[in-house]
Order: sequence, then C-alpha cells, then structure tokens
Amino acid sequence: QLLLQESASGLVKPSETLSLTCSVSGASISDDSAHYWGWIRQPPGKRPEWIASFYYGGIHYGGITFYNPSLRGRVSITLDTSKNQFSLKVRSVTAADAAVYYCARLLPTSSTYYMADWGKGTTVTVSS
Amino acid sequence: QSVLTQPPSMSGAPGQRVTISCAGSSSNIGAGYDVQWYRQLPQTAPKVVIYGNTNRPSGVPERFSGSKSATSAFLTIAGLQAEDEADYYCQSYDRSPSDSFVFGTGTKVTVL
Repeated sequence: QLLLQESASGLVKPSETLSLTCSVSGASISDDSAHYWGWIRQPPGKRPEWIASFYYGGIHYGGITFYNPSLRGRVSITLDTSKNQFSLKVRSVTAADAAVYYCARLLPTSSTYYMADWGKGTTVTVSS
Repeated sequence: QSVLTQPPSMSGAPGQRVTISCAGSSSNIGAGYDVQWYRQLPQTAPKVVIYGNTNRPSGVPERFSGSKSATSAFLTIAGLQAEDEADYYCQSYDRSPSDSFVFGTGTKVTVL
C-alpha cells in the first residue's frame, strides 16, 4: 500500500525559506514507471494549487522537473532516492504561502496526469 | 483568475441526482486534456473520484460518473447520500499561458 507522509513544518517567518519533505513507502520514487511525484498546496478556504512535479525515470535518464509558472524562481524540488524521499523549498515566503501542503503521486491519463494518491498534508503558517 | 469555473454550491435531498459543472476553455478542456474530479471532506486531503473524464477508481461508488463536452466537464452523483456532503474540485491541464495543472473553483455539495 502506498503511503506518503509530509514532514512537520509549522511556522515560517516572512522572507525565509520553507522546507518540506515527503517520505514515500510502498513504491519507489526512482523506478522508471510512468509516475510523477509532486507537491500541491491549499490555502485556507481556497482551492488546491499545484506547485511542482518531477519524473525520475531512472539513473540514466536525468529526470524531468516542472514548476507552476506563478511560483517558478521561488520553488525547487530535490530528491533523495536512497531515503525514498523528495523535498520542496519555497524561498522568500509571504503570508500568501500559508497553506496546507500535500505531496502526491501522479498517474497518467490518455492526455495528462492526475493526483492519484495524497499525503495527509502539513500546515504551514507564515508569521513573524 | 479562474481557469476552471464551478458553481459555488449545490444541494439535494438524499436519493436525488446532482450534476456539477466545470467550465473551461480552448486552452484546457477544449484542447483535449482529460478532466479529473476530487472529493474533499473537512480537514482531509482531496481524493479522486473520477479520472480521465469518465473513469472511476477502485472503491469509488458507481453513483459517481463523469462526462465531458466541448470546453466543459460534468460530475454526476446519482442517488445522493449523506456522506457525499463535501467539496468537489475538477482538475485538468492548462497549456497556455498557465502550462500547469489547474483546479476548479470548487463546489460545496450539501445533502438536505
């Protein structure tokens, strides 16, 4: 059974960097199946917002990472395949970055991808 | 701005049929990108109930069905039950200028 668990983050000060980690069990983030992994956030009372996704594709492939253009330049995803984890950093946070952050596995449809499995989410508060 | 637009709320009595719309454009649904639907109960993560426009994941009741036409998609809940009271979001891909996965504005379904 696939499980995704976001690390506890809590409180981040404005202008600082938010760091989160997703631990995956029940599947490998480094296998070469057609799975993407990624991050989605949901501000209080608002719709979910996709942040970024990656496809590893194996050690010889090099991988693909793509980001929501509205956040590009402030966010980055890194992988630790030895721990089966992936991480998110959001730089220069403001109050608008306060949200519940979810990690997810994305599976393909005939034309795109969907968020098939989600972690339980972790709440990030931005305050000085 | 809202790339995918849903009605803010809908309601129905137990056993009734409810259809939620998701209005997109030629850069997302109309471009041929599939639509997914997620149900979100309070304080929980969204859960997919329809993917690829019409497909139901294992474990999702048959009363949930999806369809797509031109630049819109629809989620129908036939035979509404109390546990269907939740927020529902459509999701697709928007190619330009967003070039991103996008979610609808969300619909709160209330079971009367």
